[in-house]
Amino acid sequence: RKEVEQDPGPFNVPEGATVAFNCTYSNSASQSFFWYRQDCRKEPKLLMSVYSSGNEDGRFTAQLNRASQYISLLIRDSKLSDSATYLCVVRGGKLIFGQGTELSVKP
Amino acid sequence: DVKVTQSSRYLVKRTGEKVFLECVQDMDHENMFWYRQDPGLGLRLIYFSYDVKMKEKGDIPEGYSVSREKKERFSLILESASTNQTSMYLCASSLRGLSLYEQYFGPGTRLTVT
Repeated sequence: RKEVEQDPGPFNVPEGATVAFNCTYSNSASQSFFWYRQDCRKEPKLLMSVYSSGNEDGRFTAQLNRASQYISLLIRDSKLSDSATYLCVVRGGKLIFGQGTELSVKP
Repeated sequence: DVKVTQSSRYLVKRTGEKVFLECVQDMDHENMFWYRQDPGLGLRLIYFSYDVKMKEKGDIPEGYSVSREKKERFSLILESASTNQTSMYLCASSLRGLSLYEQYFGPGTRLTVT
């Protein structure tokens, strides 16, 4: 079993849609959680950290479920510019990256 | 803004060649990292460094070495390139401490070994 697993997608959604990604992790001792965004042929960039109580940044909401060992990212009112690959990242003693979930937002 | 630069965007090398990938960051970050990214496998850590002349193995160090002679520069060396080292190589840097795990990435070097 992979340490961090994501549905690779692609997720194809129309503009304005709400889309959610899940990510599961195997190490129950994991301490911190993040979502990174990677545009096509570009480097990953930090999108947001994920806090135990859940957190929101504009149209983006991140949640953590420690009991079930997963984190989620919800994007509301999708924009064309949200098209990218979203990487789930988990920290135990080191950072572990998921393989990413591809999102394509269509007009 | 943090800037992380890598010496080449695209590189083609022959099997057996020695390959140097250079990474420079301009924000005085203590930590620097080398990853490779392959489809379906995500980013995998090759080596990292917490300080000048200091290096630690990551998950897949075999076939690679690194050098950090100056704080701003972290080099990845393929002693004898092989076709299974064809990949996208990403360098990253971060501050020490609480910000340790917010990493800033360079644009990547796509290496093809023929």
